[in-house]
Amino acid sequence: ETGVTQSPTHLIKTRGQQVTLRCSSQSGHNTVSWYQQALGQGPQFIFQYYREEENGRGNFPPRFSGLQFPNYSSELNVNALELDDSALYLCASSLSGLRGWENEAFFGQGTRLTVV
Amino acid sequence: AQSVSQHNHHVILSEAASLELGCNYSYGGTVNLFWYVQYPGQHLQLLLKYFSGDPLVKGIKGFEAEFIKSKFSFNLRKPSVQWSDTAEYFCAVMPSGGYQKVTFGTGTKLQVIP
Repeated sequence: ETGVTQSPTHLIKTRGQQVTLRCSSQSGHNTVSWYQQALGQGPQFIFQYYREEENGRGNFPPRFSGLQFPNYSSELNVNALELDDSALYLCASSLSGLRGWENEAFFGQGTRLTVV
Repeated sequence: AQSVSQHNHHVILSEAASLELGCNYSYGGTVNLFWYVQYPGQHLQLLLKYFSGDPLVKGIKGFEAEFIKSKFSFNLRKPSVQWSDTAEYFCAVMPSGGYQKVTFGTGTKLQVIP
């Protein structure tokens, strides 16, 4: 157990719909990153939130957006779902501070999204 | 942008055999390096990490990795594998000093036969 929880665990959506995935960070962590892991691939970085602001983004279109709340939990929103969005979505939390970003990230078990 | 290559996609070993999984990265600056493991049905967890100092890094469960800067490599090793090591292994790289954008390789599935 890492202390990072994600909900829901599985989700089926129709193409064109919108989806919100949730992540509860490990206690004391202030940084959340989201990753997309397609079948047979390694996780791909979507974006990172630090103190409620996005401070880094991978090669994902604007229809992928997020939020981080004052309690450091986070949401990933995907609009206008496409079939290729079907994947495992992983949330990772870490503690960032004076030493920068170089602290271990703890991963949740992920949300399996299927778009039909 | 950084990238990571894992050359072995699927490895099958007998128990007690030695393991070496290859990982090469591409990036022009200083990096931090990681190996993550994902056991069947479980979350990704950190095996070991390299930030600076001794290039030979020891991790959990008897794993170690050696950072060879001149070869841009960070190979994972274990002298004697067990059936419980059956899992998928991911090498990852993160540029030093930047935000925590971790780039993962495509993973290596290790199957250990009793």
